[in-house]
Amino acid sequence: AQSVAQPEDQVNVAEGNPLTVKCTYSVSGNPYLFWYVQYPNRGLQFLLKYITGDNLVKGSYGFEAEFNKSQTSFHLKKPSALVSDSALYFCAVRDFMFSGGYNKLIFGAGTRLAVHP
Amino acid sequence: GAGVSQSPSNKVTEKGKDVELRCDPISGHTALYWYRQSLGQGLEFLIYFQGNSAPDKSGLPSDRFSAERTGGSVSTLTIQRTQQEDSAVYLCASSPGGGSFSEQFFGPGTRLTVL
Repeated sequence: AQSVAQPEDQVNVAEGNPLTVKCTYSVSGNPYLFWYVQYPNRGLQFLLKYITGDNLVKGSYGFEAEFNKSQTSFHLKKPSALVSDSALYFCAVRDFMFSGGYNKLIFGAGTRLAVHP
Repeated sequence: GAGVSQSPSNKVTEKGKDVELRCDPISGHTALYWYRQSLGQGLEFLIYFQGNSAPDKSGLPSDRFSAERTGGSVSTLTIQRTQQEDSAVYLCASSPGGGSFSEQFFGPGTRLTVL
């Protein structure tokens, strides 16, 4: 079965410093990986996805993620954190339902990012 | 354009009551998903609709949960005889199709509290 793990419940970083939010995955076949962000009292917003191609994927709000096949990781990164980046971040992997021919997303438990001034 | 909307935004109910949660997907999106987000946990898939095809109900946790989608657009998730463990945020998402590259667009969720 497909799964993702986010080993950190919370990440704390000072504003202006680089940030990394970790995600590892376990899939059969090629992984299709996603990052979503959830701000307080808001729905999830799509940040970026890896389907194929370059291992470094660039997304919204200056975020990027690095796909590493050998380490089965898809860590989310940003060179310089902002206080406004404080939110809950979810990594997800596509679980392709062959019987129905559609995508289902399997989410990690989420990592809360706190950026301090 | 308008995103996915959900109503109500908050719902408090007593144990044993039935509740209905509504989702309005983005116009033209054929795929619709329901997820449940429990405190401290990730999102749990509940059900998937694609056009007029039979839904995939494999994620529904019990027969107290049901969902329908009328006219391929608005969806309603119904929970009968609610229990305290049903307390969670229920998220709806839609996508242009169910295919491999379609990202899902999420609504703001309905926070359900069962007393």
